[in-house]
Amino acid sequence: QKEVEQNSGPLSVPEGAIASLNCTYSDRGSQSFFWYRQYSGKSPELIMSIYSNGDKEDGRFTAQLNKASQYVSLLIRDSQPSDSATYLCAVRGTTGRRALTFGSGTRLQVQP
Amino acid sequence: NAGVMQNPRHLVRRRGQEARLRCSPMKGHSHVYWYRQLPEEGLKFMVYLQKENIIDESGMPKERFSAEFPKEGPSILRIQQVVRGDSAAYFCASSPGQVDYEQYFGPGTRLTVT
Repeated sequence: QKEVEQNSGPLSVPEGAIASLNCTYSDRGSQSFFWYRQYSGKSPELIMSIYSNGDKEDGRFTAQLNKASQYVSLLIRDSQPSDSATYLCAVRGTTGRRALTFGSGTRLQVQP
Repeated sequence: NAGVMQNPRHLVRRRGQEARLRCSPMKGHSHVYWYRQLPEEGLKFMVYLQKENIIDESGMPKERFSAEFPKEGPSILRIQQVVRGDSAAYFCASSPGQVDYEQYFGPGTRLTVT
C-alpha cells in the first residue's frame, strides 16, 4: 500500500464545474496536509494547507480533512482551463519528521 | 520578495562527472529540503537541513549523494559519478522554523546525464 494515494486521472471537467480531487493516506499519525499544483515542466506551487478536521476555504478552493477516514480532498469551484494541471497531495507524518510524502498526483483537465 | 532560488536551472553531465545543485531559501526561512522527481514519477524526499546541520537524510541514496547547508551561502546537493538513472528534476523547498509550517518550492534543476 502506498503511503499517499491519489487517482492518477485524468479527471476531465467542463469549464465552470466543480472539480473534486481525493487523497488517502496510510499513516494515522499524520499531522499536516497540503495540496500543490504542478504545471507540466514546472515546480510544485502550494495551494492549500489543512491541519484539523473539517473544511478550509480559500477563494475557489476548499480543502477537506477527515482524519478518522484518513482522507483529504480538494474542491475547485468554477473550474477554469488555467486550472488544468497535476494536483499533488502531500502529507507530513509522524510528529518530529518534517519531510513531506507526496502522492503521485491527479491530472486535471478543464475543458473550455 | 524573492522566492526560493535554484541554480543552475538545467545541467547536463556525462556519466562519471559530478553534479552540484544550489539552493537559496526564501528570505526568513532557515530550513531547506531537497526532493527528486524522476520522469513520470512522484516527488520523493531526499534530505532536510538547517544551517550547518543535516536533520533528516533518510531519503538520500547511500552512495554518491551528499548535501550541505553551510553557515554562509546556499545549500548544495552534490552527486558524484553521475549515472543515467540520476537524470531527474531536483527541487529544493524551504520553510520557516515554526512547528506548523508550509514548504515553498524553487523552480528546480533539471539534470540530464548523457
